[in-house]
Amino acid sequence: KAGVTQTPRYLIKTRGQQVTLSCSPISGHRSVSWYQQTPGQGLQFLFEYFSETQRNKGNFPGRFSGRQFSNSRSEMNVSTLELGDSALYLCASRTTLAAQSKQFFGPGTRLTVL
Amino acid sequence: AQTVTQSQPEMSVQEAETVTLSCTYDTSESNYYLFWYKQPPSRQMILVIRQEAYKQQNATENRFSVNFQKAAKSFSLKISDSQLGDTAMYFCAFMKHNFGNEKLTFGTGTRLTIIP
Repeated sequence: KAGVTQTPRYLIKTRGQQVTLSCSPISGHRSVSWYQQTPGQGLQFLFEYFSETQRNKGNFPGRFSGRQFSNSRSEMNVSTLELGDSALYLCASRTTLAAQSKQFFGPGTRLTVL
Repeated sequence: AQTVTQSQPEMSVQEAETVTLSCTYDTSESNYYLFWYKQPPSRQMILVIRQEAYKQQNATENRFSVNFQKAAKSFSLKISDSQLGDTAMYFCAFMKHNFGNEKLTFGTGTRLTIIP
């Protein structure tokens, strides 16, 4: 079974632009979560989607948004990019929302904002 | 809010030795899960081991085991017979058991280097 895939793997943008990142979960997984990883703030939860609905949201500004499609693939969008948005963005998928459902992470998208 | 603390930013150990990584957490929840994740230089986050708070027995996965002390809110990871492939960042993480409202809260990580 294929793992979680994220595209693109690397991205360079300039301040003020917007960006869309994509995450394809493991087949059969209906939940997708997004995390931001930076050297200064560490790993922080962005949001989780399940069955096309946002079920949980972290403490990030409204410039960060996401959505999930009927095939469980998820996209994350960041508008009006700032230098501080440079980070590794990780997505994780799991079968259900139950806590015992293990999360499997993708390789991440490295976003650099110039 | 939950917090996870890893007080050892870096550690190194000779190959084949045993190493213990420390983690403490703070929560008022009684029902939760604790995790150790490994992130090698390739950046892929891999689940190493998981512990349910309601289970008194410490979890083990091959060479990896935990020492879970619920009262002390401590969750350390022991790696036995360490191998070069164990070189990675190790993150301790917490998830409360609240259906549909769960997220992983991570510690700051411990960079572990296995020396040949």
